[in-house]
Parts: sequence; structure tokens; C-alpha cells
Amino acid sequence: AQSVSQHNHHVILSEAASLELGCNYSYGGTVNLFWYVQYPGQHLQLLLKYFSGDPLVKGIKGFEAEFIKSKFSFNLRKPSVQWSDTAEYFCAASRTYKYIFGTGTRLKVLA
Amino acid sequence: DVKVTQSSRYLVKRTGEKVFLECVQDMDHENMFWYRQDPGLGLRLIYFSYDVKMKEKGDIPEGYSVSREKKERFSLILESASTNQTSMYLCASRRGGQRTEAFFGQGTRLTVV
Repeated sequence: AQSVSQHNHHVILSEAASLELGCNYSYGGTVNLFWYVQYPGQHLQLLLKYFSGDPLVKGIKGFEAEFIKSKFSFNLRKPSVQWSDTAEYFCAASRTYKYIFGTGTRLKVLA
Repeated sequence: DVKVTQSSRYLVKRTGEKVFLECVQDMDHENMFWYRQDPGLGLRLIYFSYDVKMKEKGDIPEGYSVSREKKERFSLILESASTNQTSMYLCASRRGGQRTEAFFGQGTRLTVV
């Protein structure tokens, strides 16, 4: 079955630390990948997306992600986190009409 | 801006009631989705619709049904609400095609007592 896995459920970092959140997917063939963020009390919004081409994609607010086909991974990174990055982060994949999400990672950034 | 509007932010219903959750989008999107969000489980797909009157089951359709009579509106129906359906329900829409992002509503927090 198609699935998306996020292995870090809770992450706590200090401001200015670097961030990497893992995401693995189980689709075969071509897949479209996304990272969404949900700030406290707000709706989910898109951070970045990958369809094809350059495997390193840049998104909003300084986030980037790298697609590694051989590892079925699409990890999210940010060189230096801020207190305002405290949120829940979801990886998602789409191949047909279905849009499948991972279980999410709660990030807390300490000021 | 795309707007996805869910009719209620908070709902409290009794066990056994029939519950309707409504979602409306204003961007003529073909695809619409209903998810439930639970702590530690992420977003789980209940049903999706890729066109008017077209629907497919997601990963957890049991106890739910949907209706899409008009392109802009996608309704989730709990035929007989149970306490294990207490959750946050999220509606999303996107243009047709795989390479499109989804836009989400604010969510409906449903409590079944």
C-alpha cells in the first residue's frame, strides 16, 4: 500500500540550530512530494513541493528539501531555525488522485 | 487567494446522531478531500472526490459517507456518530492533476458525547 513515513515525531531545538526532518515514501514510479506546515491554531499551508528536475527544492521561510530517489526520501531542512518555526510539519505524496500524508513531526524551538 | 470554508469550527453531537460536515471551495477545483487529524496519527484520508458525483474511499471510510452534488461543495456524513469519531476533520481541495498543491480549510473539531 502507498504510505508516507515520518520517523521524528517530536523535535526540540534551540534557536539558530539546524533542522532536518525525515520523510520516506513507499510509492513506486513517479511520485510528487510536498511538505506542509501547520502553525498553532492555523490551517495547513504549503512549504514546498517537488515534481521533477533539480532534486534540491527551495520553499518559503528558508526551508528546503532534497529528493533522493534511491532512498525514497524527501527530507526537509533549514540551516537556522527561529522560535516562529514552532509548528507541526507534514510530508505528503501524490501519484494519482490520492494525496497521502505522513503522521507529522511536532517541532518546538526554544528561544 | 483560494478559500476553503468549513461550515463549523466546533461541533458537539450525541452518539447515534447523523452528522453533516460541509466544505465549500471557491476556486473551481476538481479534487476535494476529507481527512481526519488525530494526535500521533497525522492526517488520514477518509474519502476523496475527483469530480462532481465521483467519489472514492480513502484509507478509513468506515462509518462515513460523502456527497458531491456540486463542484464547489463536498459534504462528509457520519451516518450514526460514535465516540471514536471525535476528531478534527479537515477538508482540502486542489486543481485536477497530480502536480498540484492542496488548499485546506480551518478544520472542524467534532466531539461526540
